[in-house]
Amino acid sequence: KAGVTQTPRYLIKTRGQQVTLSCSPISGHRSVSWYQQTPGQGLQFLFEYFSETQRNKGNFPGRFSGRQFSNSRSEMNVSTLELGDSALYLCASSGGSGQRNTIYFGEGSWLTVV
Amino acid sequence: GQQVMQIPQYQHVQEGEDFTTYCNSSTTLSNIQWYKQRPGGHPVFLIQLVKSGEVKKQKRLTFQFGEAKKNSSLHITATQTTDVGTYFCAGDSNSGYALNFGKGTSLLVTP
Repeated sequence: KAGVTQTPRYLIKTRGQQVTLSCSPISGHRSVSWYQQTPGQGLQFLFEYFSETQRNKGNFPGRFSGRQFSNSRSEMNVSTLELGDSALYLCASSGGSGQRNTIYFGEGSWLTVV
Repeated sequence: GQQVMQIPQYQHVQEGEDFTTYCNSSTTLSNIQWYKQRPGGHPVFLIQLVKSGEVKKQKRLTFQFGEAKKNSSLHITATQTTDVGTYFCAGDSNSGYALNFGKGTSLLVTP
C-alpha cells in the first residue's frame, strides 16, 4: 500500500511569493494533518482536515491556509512568504475519525525562502 | 496550552550503552505516541501508549507511560548504530485531532 505522498519535495521561493504544497494520503485515510518542522521550533501543528472540513488549527498566521478535496487529497498554501517560513512541511494521514489514531508522515516538502 | 517537553536534547553514546529519553506534559494526556526520525528523513511511528502505567516493549526498546499519564519514557538497551536519529514524543492536544510534539532527543551512537 502506498504511503503518504507529498509534492514537490524541494522548492525555493522568493520573499513575498506564495507557495502551494500537495499531499496525497494513504489510500482509505480520510484525515490529513500538516506540520511545520524547523530546527529551532521542532514539529508544530498547522491544521487538520477530515472529510473536507478543517477540524483543528494551530497557532499560525492567516497566511497559512489549507484545504481538503473529496478524494482526501490536501493542499496547503502559504502566501506572502517570509524568510522564517523556510522549513520542512510534513503532511500526515490517519485512518479514522477518532482522536487516538496513529498518524503516518510523508517525506515532506523542503521549502527555502530567499 | 499544553506543553510537551523532552530531555535530554542531545545524547551521545558508545555502541552497546543504554539510552533513555524522557517526556513530560503540562497536562494529563489521553495517550502518548513515539516517533523516530532518521537524519534527512521523516518521523516514523514507533508506538502508542494509552493506559496509565502501561509498559510496552519492541525488541531493545521499552516504552513507559506514567501513572498520572503526564510523563513517558523510551529506553533503548544496548544501542546500535542503527538507533541513530531523533526520537519524538507526542501527546494529543486538548482539542483533539492534533499532536503536540516534544522537541525531540537526538541520539548519536558511535561504534
